[in-house]
Amino acid sequence: EAEVAQSPRYKITEKSQAVAFWCDPISGHATLYWYRQILGQGPELLVQFQDESVVDDSQLPKDRFSAERLKGVDSTLKIQPAELGDSAMYLCASSLSGHEFFGSGTRLTVV
Amino acid sequence: KQEVTQIPAALSVPEGENLVLNCSFTDSAIYNLQWFRQDPGKGLTSLLLIQSSQREQTSGRLNASLDKSSGRSTLYIAASQPGDSATYLCAVDSGAGSYQLTFGKGTKLSVIP
Repeated sequence: EAEVAQSPRYKITEKSQAVAFWCDPISGHATLYWYRQILGQGPELLVQFQDESVVDDSQLPKDRFSAERLKGVDSTLKIQPAELGDSAMYLCASSLSGHEFFGSGTRLTVV
Repeated sequence: KQEVTQIPAALSVPEGENLVLNCSFTDSAIYNLQWFRQDPGKGLTSLLLIQSSQREQTSGRLNASLDKSSGRSTLYIAASQPGDSATYLCAVDSGAGSYQLTFGKGTKLSVIP
């Protein structure tokens, strides 16, 4: 069964360092999403791509966060510099026609 | 702005009981509603998706209903099992072609053997 792949599964980084997460969506899914989920909360959308184009990044803290999907397939989310408040689960999802499928996420701890 | 609320925040039941999880949303103009399951430290698994034109969806012991006009959905779990213990998240897609989900905070379910 096709899955959304994310790596790494866990990441511990010191504050002010740079960190990057990678996502490979289900083959053929044109829409890709990055969500952030703080412990005890529901996921919140950071950025949405349609193919290689950003559809919505209104909730992305652009002073430190960046996201790209250069060839319209896999995607990278970067944080630089990381802050303590960035500790969270970062989830990637992809969809073909509105039905979203999620990866296992990257658990980020900033120390 | 769409807001999604889930009640209760946590629920503990003995094995074998039937239970209902509740979800409400403020804007009834939705495209679809989904229920997800999340195990601790894991990603989200889609359980049921209800299109705006549908009233309910069933999968095994799970049944989800949707009342768009009142802004409510329920997830019914029959004959609960310890393996059902997880957090259940409700999410709505407000449509308009955006295909973006707004999530509730979830209900943490514990099924006691």
